[in-house]
Amino acid sequence: DIQMTQSPSSLAASVGDRVTITCRASEGIRNDLDWYQQKPGKAPKRLIYTASTLQSGVPSRFSGGGSGTEFTLTISGLQPEDFATYYCLQHHSYPWTFGQGTKVEIK
Amino acid sequence: EVQLVESGGGLVQPGGSLRLSCAASGFTFESWWMHWVRQAPGKGLMWVARVNSGGGDTVYAESVKGRFTISRDDAKDTLYLQMNSLRGDDTAVYYCVRDDGAGFDPWGQGTLVTVSS
Repeated sequence: DIQMTQSPSSLAASVGDRVTITCRASEGIRNDLDWYQQKPGKAPKRLIYTASTLQSGVPSRFSGGGSGTEFTLTISGLQPEDFATYYCLQHHSYPWTFGQGTKVEIK
Repeated sequence: EVQLVESGGGLVQPGGSLRLSCAASGFTFESWWMHWVRQAPGKGLMWVARVNSGGGDTVYAESVKGRFTISRDDAKDTLYLQMNSLRGDDTAVYYCVRDDGAGFDPWGQGTLVTVSS
């Protein structure tokens, strides 16, 4: 199975900050990686697919990068509505696996 | 509007069975691969199972293989998850998700399964 190691597990940031979350795959997954945002009590919502493509309707302050084994999600100019938990997902091979999640909290 | 609505969750005793349903609308259900994903209380996300369009091919997470069965009824635009021999660590919110070829979109709202005596 491909292991997805996401870091950090949590972070505290202020409105307007630039935040970067990293996911490392235990083996190469090309660009078969998504990023999801989940707010308490709600279903996850996709932000980024194929590593760097912004989902329709998602603000442009979200961006994704990377390929192979290392990937990043960057939020440029954190907004109050961005405080949530973020997950990466590899859909390169079964079983599809998620990162452990990164909780973004208000500083 | 593309929509997925899960139902069938509830409280079940260890060793019991439950069948989850997911009603799809707003898209041509028969053409899409579908999955179940779960989330234990306060924990992260875990992929559970996938069925292809047509229903002839399925894949499962090791932890549910032999106990869970994913299936679909394209005439009813409905996805199912039959869960047998339930254990406490199966307690979770179960989400129905569509596979658009680049991951999961959209997600249903989820249905809670609690396995407890």
